[in-house]
Amino acid sequence: SQQGEEDPQALSIQEGENATMNCSYKTSINNLQWYRQNSGRGLVHLILIRSNEREKHSGRLRVTLDTSKKSSSLLITASRAADTASYFCATDAWGAQKLVFGQGTRLTINP
Amino acid sequence: DVKVTQSSRYLVKRTGEKVFLECVQDMDHENMFWYRQDPGLGLRLIYFSYDVKMKEKGDIPEGYSVSREKKERFSLILESASTNQTSMYLCASSSGTGKNNEQFFGPGTRLTVL
Repeated sequence: SQQGEEDPQALSIQEGENATMNCSYKTSINNLQWYRQNSGRGLVHLILIRSNEREKHSGRLRVTLDTSKKSSSLLITASRAADTASYFCATDAWGAQKLVFGQGTRLTINP
Repeated sequence: DVKVTQSSRYLVKRTGEKVFLECVQDMDHENMFWYRQDPGLGLRLIYFSYDVKMKEKGDIPEGYSVSREKKERFSLILESASTNQTSMYLCASSSGTGKNNEQFFGPGTRLTVL
């Protein structure tokens, strides 16, 4: 059962602009993670935010989490062509080792 | 660095064939997972394993089985491949300890069933 849902499904911006992707989920979570997938490849973990955290930074990435709205956002600042990829959010329930992935946002950075 | 490898990047099989997809991880992870990824459907969990010889069904186990005889290896088996099993198959592993259940993925196997 898919819990996370990303919005938008596709996003196209110019290099140097900021990209924002959103994720909504349905049930209580332990943590929320974001992954990147380059075309035809496996997923790569980007960042994890715990349910008791509201914001987290990693390089050009900024993640926010609003547990009252059951939503998260991923902001990529100063985008580069190499950021072109699909981005997925994933959530887990307390005590569970498995993750539930959303359908992803396909991000295209135009030079 | 964690490395997860999958036996094939591309595989073409015929309907009715028995298909084995192999996954190996080198970080002594307890948990291993098999997903399939289809356009518009995202990643869907087929089976996962918490330990050697342990397995649990995911969301779409029908038509698949798994084997975990050694900690580092998790195999996905299609007993009788069908065309609707044409997909990208992704293997992942994660540590069973701590609160960080980050998953590490292999490069994927694109399976085509004719």
